[in-house]
Formats: sequence, C-alpha cells, structure tokens
Amino acid sequence: AQTVTQSQPEMSVQEAETVTLSCTYDTSESNYYLFWYKQPPSRQMILVIRQEAYKQQNATENRFSVNFQKAAKSFSLKISDSQLGDTAMYFCAFMRDQGAQKLVFGQGTRLTINP
Amino acid sequence: NAGVTQTPKFQVLKTGQSMTLQCAQDMNHEYMSWYRQDPGMGLRLIHYSVGAGITDQGEVPNGYNVSRSTTEDFPLRLLSAAPSQTSVYFCASSYSTGGREKLFFGSGTQLSVL
Repeated sequence: AQTVTQSQPEMSVQEAETVTLSCTYDTSESNYYLFWYKQPPSRQMILVIRQEAYKQQNATENRFSVNFQKAAKSFSLKISDSQLGDTAMYFCAFMRDQGAQKLVFGQGTRLTINP
Repeated sequence: NAGVTQTPKFQVLKTGQSMTLQCAQDMNHEYMSWYRQDPGMGLRLIHYSVGAGITDQGEVPNGYNVSRSTTEDFPLRLLSAAPSQTSVYFCASSYSTGGREKLFFGSGTQLSVL
C-alpha cells in the first residue's frame, strides 16, 4: 500500500518570502501521479500542481513549483513571492497510474502567510 | 456547468439515525468517489465507483453504503450514525481515461453525530 507523509504540521512565513513544504511517499509503483492540493478556510479542495512520475522535468505553475526526486521518493512544493491568499492547508497526494483513481493523502501542512 | 454538487453542506444527526449524503456531477464522469476528512488527517477514501452499477470499497468503508444507479449520482448512506462518523465528507469525480488524473471535488458536507 502507498503512504504519503508530510512532516511539517504547521509553517509560517512573511508575505513575499519563499516557503517550501515537504512531502515523502512510499510506493513500489514505477508510474504514478503526485499532487499538491490547497484547502483554504472555505474547505474547497483546489489543485495547485501535478507531477507525472515518468516526467523528469519538475512541474511549475506560476509561483508554485515542485522538486520531484523519484529515487528519494520526495515531492516538495515551493511557493515563491508568497501572498496572503496562500494561507491554507496544503495536502500532498499520490495516485497510481493504473486502475481506479484512488488518491492517498498526507496529513497536511497548515501554512500561514503573515503581513 | 455546475461541476460536482454535494448536499447538504451541514448536517447534525443523533446517534443511530440514518441519512444520505447526495453527490451529483454534470460532466459525464465515469469515476466517482467519497472521502472523509478528520481533524489532523488527510482525506481518506470511503467508497468509489468506476461506472453505473459498479462500486467498490476504499480504505475506510465500514458504516457506509453506496450505490450508482446513474452516471450522474453517487449517494453515500449512513445506516446508523455513530459519533466516530463526525467528519467532513467530500465527493469527487473524473474521467476514467483521458484526464483521469484530474479529480473534481465538491465543496464538502460537514457532518456532526451527537
């Protein structure tokens, strides 16, 4: 079974700073997807960024980028020029490439951006 | 295009009561699923369906029933609610082939069992 671990329960940075959220996972699969989801106080689950394991290039979406280390099974999220609206819970998640689209989530990191 | 619609948004039950959480999607997605989110934990899969008439158990299925009579709807039933089922429930859907990895989530149902 796959597991996802987020070792930082809470993080806090000043607006405009860069912050990195950590995620490690365990799987025997060779092809899979990794995700970062944002959950603001509204409770909505918002996809931030997605990485396909067979792609060596790290995914980037505007201020959000990942550092995907397949051999180390590490998948960190970097938020550049952080904004107050980035304040939220962030979840790392894993999905196998084959079979039903079951997401396995980490425990989450509560990120606070201070003015 | 409404996406994934969950009702109700909030619900309070007494122990032993039954209820159904509704989930509907208008994107013609084959795959639908239910997750629960407990404090300090990520979402965990309860049940899922890969198409009408087909359902299967996820990680935490005990105490919940599902059925999938249409492509659009995937209700989650609590037959006899317990305080341990107090949680936030999310429904999600996606295509089964192209774009399968892109899940669309509903806005969640906050359930409290007293």
